[in-house]
Amino acid sequence: AQRVTQPEKLLSVFKGAPVELKCNYSYSGSPELFWYVQYSRQRLQLLLRHISRESIKGFTADLNKGETSFHLKKPFAQEEDSAMYYCALRDSWGKLQFGAGTQVVVTP
Amino acid sequence: NAGVTQTPKFQVLKTGQSMTLQCAQDMNHEYMSWYRQDPGMGLRLIHYSVGAGITDQGEVPNGYNVSRSTTEDFPLRLLSAAPSQTSVYFCASSYSTGAYEQYFGPGTRLTVT
Repeated sequence: AQRVTQPEKLLSVFKGAPVELKCNYSYSGSPELFWYVQYSRQRLQLLLRHISRESIKGFTADLNKGETSFHLKKPFAQEEDSAMYYCALRDSWGKLQFGAGTQVVVTP
Repeated sequence: NAGVTQTPKFQVLKTGQSMTLQCAQDMNHEYMSWYRQDPGMGLRLIHYSVGAGITDQGEVPNGYNVSRSTTEDFPLRLLSAAPSQTSVYFCASSYSTGAYEQYFGPGTRLTVT
């Protein structure tokens, strides 16, 4: 069965410090992985997907099939990065399986 | 272009009552879905639809019904509300099952007493 695990419920970092959100998955097929973000009082929205290999708002995420991980990283956290982050895996039917989420708090 | 809209924003129900959460999108998206968001559990898929007239169950379908009579609307019905259904409910849509991005509504916060 497919599963997405985000081991950290809360991540508190100082502004300017690096931040890494962990995501591990289990899936029998070829995974499609995403990071979604929910800022305070805003809708859940797509942050990035592994296929695009792009950097969005300074965040990057690399799919490591050997370690079945898709960690989200940013070298210098900003206060506006404070939000809830969800890792998600999409199956072949288009359904998304979300992790439990990680709340990021960036303090000045 | 309003995107995905949900009504109501807040609702309080008594145990045993029924109600319908409304979801609509104006982007001509084929794929629509309902999730519930609970602390420590992330978002869990309740029901989804790949087009008008086609619906299927997700991970936690018990106690909920859906229908998709038009492309635009995807209402979620609670048949007999229970306190365990206290949650925040999100509707989402995407162009197709193959589209990589789902667009989410603002959510409905439901409390069942």
